[in-house]
Amino acid sequence: DGGITQSPKYLFRKEGQNVTLSCEQNLNHDAMYWYRQDPGQGLRLIYYSQIVNDFQKGDIAEGYSVSREKKESFPLTVTSAQKNPTAFYLCASSRTQTGPNSGNTIYFGEGSWLTVV
Amino acid sequence: AQSVTQLDSQVPVFEEAPVELRCNYSSSVSVYLFWYVQYPNQGLQLLLKYLSGSTLVKGINGFEAEFNKSQTSFHLRKPSVHISDTAEYFCAVVPLGGGGADGLTFGKGTHLIIQP
Repeated sequence: DGGITQSPKYLFRKEGQNVTLSCEQNLNHDAMYWYRQDPGQGLRLIYYSQIVNDFQKGDIAEGYSVSREKKESFPLTVTSAQKNPTAFYLCASSRTQTGPNSGNTIYFGEGSWLTVV
Repeated sequence: AQSVTQLDSQVPVFEEAPVELRCNYSSSVSVYLFWYVQYPNQGLQLLLKYLSGSTLVKGINGFEAEFNKSQTSFHLRKPSVHISDTAEYFCAVVPLGGGGADGLTFGKGTHLIIQP
């Protein structure tokens, strides 16, 4: 089945530790996105990538980093600089480089819960 | 920049009753509009989207939405809800074209609660 796979589903992070959330898609989509969801806050864009080896900061990029070495993979690292990382993280992708700006649908993975302990 | 306001954080409705979830947006340019649904502990699924043409858009699971440019609204409706419609609903916008690819701007969501 085609889709977006996020792992792990649940992750615990100790203070001062970096953690990486995996996102893989087999939809052959060009654009990929990372969103953060907090209760009552909706979704906020962390980073996005239109093509391999290129990515752009979203609205809340501080304390996060990404890479896009392969078309199908867009991992997100939550660094120790992110002071409030506990949240639900959603990876998404869209068929073309311009994604929804061209009317294309953004498809979402099942999400990953990150909790600081 | 764009912004989305979902006027109700929670909407309780009895089963088989009609429902309307309200969405208003602000933008200095033309936009595309989307509604997504999120079931507990899952990702988001597209319900419907407005790109152009008829202002009444039909989506999955019996939902429909009407685009009103003058009121900058895109309200979601269903004539008869079921227990399975209990979920969080998100309205989102994106500016048309221009080569941008910065994703969707989401509202804060409306929790639809279906009561038996």
